[in-house]
Amino acid sequence: EVQLVESGGVVVQPGGSLRLSCAASGFTFDDYTMHWVRQAPGKGLEWVSLISWDGGSTYYADSVKGRFTISRDNSKNSLYLQMNSLRTEDTALYYCAKAILTGYYSAFDYWGQGTLVTVSS
Amino acid sequence: SYDLTQPPSVSVSPGQTASITCSGDKLGDKYAFWYQQKPGQSPVLVIYQNTQRPSGIPERFSGSNSGNTATLTISGTQAMDEADYYCQAWDSNTGVFGTGTKVTVL
Repeated sequence: EVQLVESGGVVVQPGGSLRLSCAASGFTFDDYTMHWVRQAPGKGLEWVSLISWDGGSTYYADSVKGRFTISRDNSKNSLYLQMNSLRTEDTALYYCAKAILTGYYSAFDYWGQGTLVTVSS
Repeated sequence: SYDLTQPPSVSVSPGQTASITCSGDKLGDKYAFWYQQKPGQSPVLVIYQNTQRPSGIPERFSGSNSGNTATLTISGTQAMDEADYYCQAWDSNTGVFGTGTKVTVL
């Protein structure tokens, strides 16, 4: 059974930093591109970032470019999101998601339960 | 930036057909994906590569994509289909979600 379990979400002040983690199991982690997607309270879905199977390629939404860094450790079946210079508008539930196909630009067939990041003074 | 526009809401009677549109510039040249999200739950993929259903998704869910519009169709809508639905596509190495549609089964 595929499982994605996010952790690391907390309340942080504007300008602060945070690292989210996602523990994956039930599939061959290093075969797939992985993604972070977020959802602000009461709002729609927003794609945040992707990382290729080997970590060699990364892409970001314009809203987080230069502030967030995605990474992965295939030996630990784990995905990460380093979030710096946090803003109030980064407040959201952050989901880890697995690509359904092995390419970069596919749909997300498995999602975690999300971890809540609140940026507030 | 690339935008995907959906109607805010769609109402449908049980057993009838619900159609949800997703509009974007030359969307038909891309693959469209659709997700269902119920309150307090993570999104669930219902359609990928325009028309494909993942394992476990009922046959009443179908998709199409042509021109500037992708459409998710729910045939024989059931009360359990009441949820928010989001389309999604890729443009210039960026994932883009639609604005979302709330489907109400009256």
